[in-house]
Amino acid sequence: NAGVTQTPKFQVLKTGQSMTLQCAQDMNHEYMSWYRQDPGMGLRLIHYSVGAGITDQGEVPNGYNVSRSTTEDFPLRLLSAAPSQTSVYFCASSRTGTGGGDTQYFGPGTRLTVL
Amino acid sequence: GQSLEQPSEVTAVEGAIVQINCTYQTSGFYGLSWYQQHDGGAPTFLSYNGLDGLEETGRFSSFLSRSDSYGYLLLQELQMKDSASYFCAVVWGTNAGKSTFGDGTTLTVKP
Repeated sequence: NAGVTQTPKFQVLKTGQSMTLQCAQDMNHEYMSWYRQDPGMGLRLIHYSVGAGITDQGEVPNGYNVSRSTTEDFPLRLLSAAPSQTSVYFCASSRTGTGGGDTQYFGPGTRLTVL
Repeated sequence: GQSLEQPSEVTAVEGAIVQINCTYQTSGFYGLSWYQQHDGGAPTFLSYNGLDGLEETGRFSSFLSRSDSYGYLLLQELQMKDSASYFCAVVWGTNAGKSTFGDGTTLTVKP
């Protein structure tokens, strides 16, 4: 199993550009989430999904879109990049909601810089 | 909203025991998770408490008191490789789908 994979590993954008961060998991997990982590801070939930076709907002959803057409993939779209979106982005998955103590597995992260 | 507090830094020596505390305020609370993150790496799940009491996994234990909105992570027999950031996270929301993280505690283990 590859676990949770993310591409690209690094990305530099100019203000106003759009892009999609890719996330895939091969563990047949229903739950997937996107987080961002700014320096010296914890992870903040952007969007999450409890299954294919079902998504919901997290704590910091503005400026980001998601969709979940398959169980495996959960892409994150930046609509019009801003310097405030410079961060490390982590994708995560779990078999069920983590409220049952289910392990949440994280991808290696995408380091995004917006100039 | 959700809020968590944990100490920003803790230092201990190899072989010692260290406790990292976490207090939280949340609605729709399911439980408290703990994660480890080494510099530049992805977070790794350590433990979860959904009920009051102590959960033990090897050298790591985690405790929760729901009535006090308080939990802690206990690391025993510290090793140099335990130097990392440790995050508590409350699990909440519909279907327990959301996790809100604290800002993390940087643990430095000295020889």
